[in-house]
Amino acid sequence: NAGVTQTPKFQVLKTGQSMTLQCAQDMNHEYMSWYRQDPGMGLRLIHYSVGAGITDQGEVPNGYNVSRSTTEDFPLRLLSAAPSQTSVYFCASKLDSLTNTGELFFGEGSRLTVL
Amino acid sequence: AQSVTQLGSHVSVSEGALVLLRCNYSSSVPPYLFWYVQYPNQGLQLLLKYTSAATLVKGINGFEAEFKKSETSFHLTKPSAHMSDAAEYFCAVSNDYKLSFGAGTTVTVRA
Repeated sequence: NAGVTQTPKFQVLKTGQSMTLQCAQDMNHEYMSWYRQDPGMGLRLIHYSVGAGITDQGEVPNGYNVSRSTTEDFPLRLLSAAPSQTSVYFCASKLDSLTNTGELFFGEGSRLTVL
Repeated sequence: AQSVTQLGSHVSVSEGALVLLRCNYSSSVPPYLFWYVQYPNQGLQLLLKYTSAATLVKGINGFEAEFKKSETSFHLTKPSAHMSDAAEYFCAVSNDYKLSFGAGTTVTVRA
């Protein structure tokens, strides 16, 4: 079972470059989200989606864009990378959007370094 | 918004000893609380969750957590640590269907 798949696993960018982190899930989950993980800060929500065509901002959305054209895919775009965006990024999904008890399933992460 | 605070960023235990990881929540309404574990170079996976059905929640790998409203706590325990328990553990609360995580506690297990 593939679950949540993220690509690439590692990426090095120069300041000002753009890139897209890909996320795909094969579980027919309504809800998808992106988190960033930084030492001592846990995971912080960047953007999330409750279904195809619907996205919203999380706790730290600045510098990132998302779209959800299909149920399966939820790419995260960095338009002009900054060193402050050096982090590990996780995509996560759950079956139902409007539930507080559903389990989040995580990808294995994408480690991004911005020089 | 509801939040969680994890007390202690690092915990070191001997193999076979009790593991105790502390989590306190702030909420004006009954919270939905979770513990996740992250093994090195992996994503997070669910250990257990509290959804108000029972105050003592049992999870995978021998872990359990007790919800105590009077103490606003949801501490995670395991009676006997194993080397494979070395990982980072996150407490989380569900806010408007979205999960907010604590800062995490790294557990090391000494042989």
